Amino acid sequence: KQEVTQIPAALSVPEGENLVLNCSFTDSAIYNLQWFRQDPGKGLTSLLLIQSSQREQTSGRLNASLDKSSGRSTLYIAASQPGDSATYLCAGERNDMRFGAGTRLTVKP
Amino acid sequence: EAQVTQNPRYLITVTGKKLTVTCSQNMNHEYMSWYRQDPGLGLRQIYYSMNVEVTDKGDVPEGYKVSRKEKRNFPLILESPSPNQTSLYFCASRRQGPIYNEQFFGPGTRLTVL
Repeated sequence: KQEVTQIPAALSVPEGENLVLNCSFTDSAIYNLQWFRQDPGKGLTSLLLIQSSQREQTSGRLNASLDKSSGRSTLYIAASQPGDSATYLCAGERNDMRFGAGTRLTVKP
Repeated sequence: EAQVTQNPRYLITVTGKKLTVTCSQNMNHEYMSWYRQDPGLGLRQIYYSMNVEVTDKGDVPEGYKVSRKEKRNFPLILESPSPNQTSLYFCASRRQGPIYNEQFFGPGTRLTVL
């Protein structure tokens, strides 16, 4: 059974810092790894999706990497802004989709 | 506007009273899915559907039913709701193809079962 773990559970940084969020998964036979953002009381917004054959994806200030052999993915956020404050979730998909518990990010002005 | 809609957004009900939460998408996606989100447990998949008339159990299907008679709709049915089904529910959809695509989520339905 796939287990997805996210570390840290919470992170607080000053504006402008670069930061890395971590995601680990136990079943390396995933089809893809997806990163989401969730704002309080809201639904999920897809940020980046990495197919199993890919190593990384980039969108603006965000870069996500995938290392299936080690069961790890990272989300790198460059030059963080207060508007980046949210909970970030990773999810691995094979026959079903398994989510990590999320990292709650606070970027202080 | 491409979107996933859910109704109702908020629902308070009592134990044993059957209810249905509707989900509809206008993107012609083949794949649709239901999740529940609980504090400390995160998001867990309830059921998913790869296409019309094809449904599969996710991680926590007990106490739920689904149907996929049309491509755009994927209702979640609670035949006899219990308090442990109090949760925040999300519906999602994506294209189904040789590669997996990003999922689009609805705004959520907050259900309270008394």
